[in-house]
Amino acid sequence: SQQGEEDPQALSIQEGENATMNCSYKTSINNLQWYRQNSGRGLVHLILIRSNEREKHSGRLRVTLDTSKKSSSLLITASRAADTASYFCATDRTGANSKLTFGKGITLSVRP
Amino acid sequence: GAVVSQHPSRVICKSGTSVKIECRSLDFQATTMFWYRQFPKQSLMLMATSNEGSKATYEQGVEKDKFLINHASLTLSTLTVTSAHPEDSSFYICSASRGIGTQYFGPGTRLLVL
Repeated sequence: SQQGEEDPQALSIQEGENATMNCSYKTSINNLQWYRQNSGRGLVHLILIRSNEREKHSGRLRVTLDTSKKSSSLLITASRAADTASYFCATDRTGANSKLTFGKGITLSVRP
Repeated sequence: GAVVSQHPSRVICKSGTSVKIECRSLDFQATTMFWYRQFPKQSLMLMATSNEGSKATYEQGVEKDKFLINHASLTLSTLTVTSAHPEDSSFYICSASRGIGTQYFGPGTRLLVL
């Protein structure tokens, strides 16, 4: 089965609301990263959380990591229409030489 | 800092021709570069890992004779799709890393094989 599976697969919210996206994985990791991809474009790195960290903040982003449950969540507060994009979690698995394994992605739509 | 470029951004070619895609790290030296492909509305699938001066390591199921990777310098890696066919049409994305940690992604190259 696939490492890095996000849920929900699609999320539609109103501008100003918070968006929470979850990611689960199966193997031990060095770190977990979240990326954003606008339609037809490359990936933008949002945040990296190491396996010994539990929570990290960056602007309107808050990431948590629970290694006992092998899960992570990405919270975007006070969402904006410009946040509309696909969001991927990616795991840097232990012993994988920094190769990333991506989840299927979550499509976030923020309605103005 | 940490900007990665790809060229071309979009290419259309005839079946049977070869296409070269360049990936450059513009403001840092990338010890490792990665090549991914992404089908519409799907996730990124790692194709190969490339270290400067050595042969690329291909993921299972990726034909190394079909997808030739050259990492000639610490700022340039190329992916050549040889004898391209319509099923090779996809979005190809590279990333570059200084070593352990964050990968910086290029903007992607959309390949359409007619």
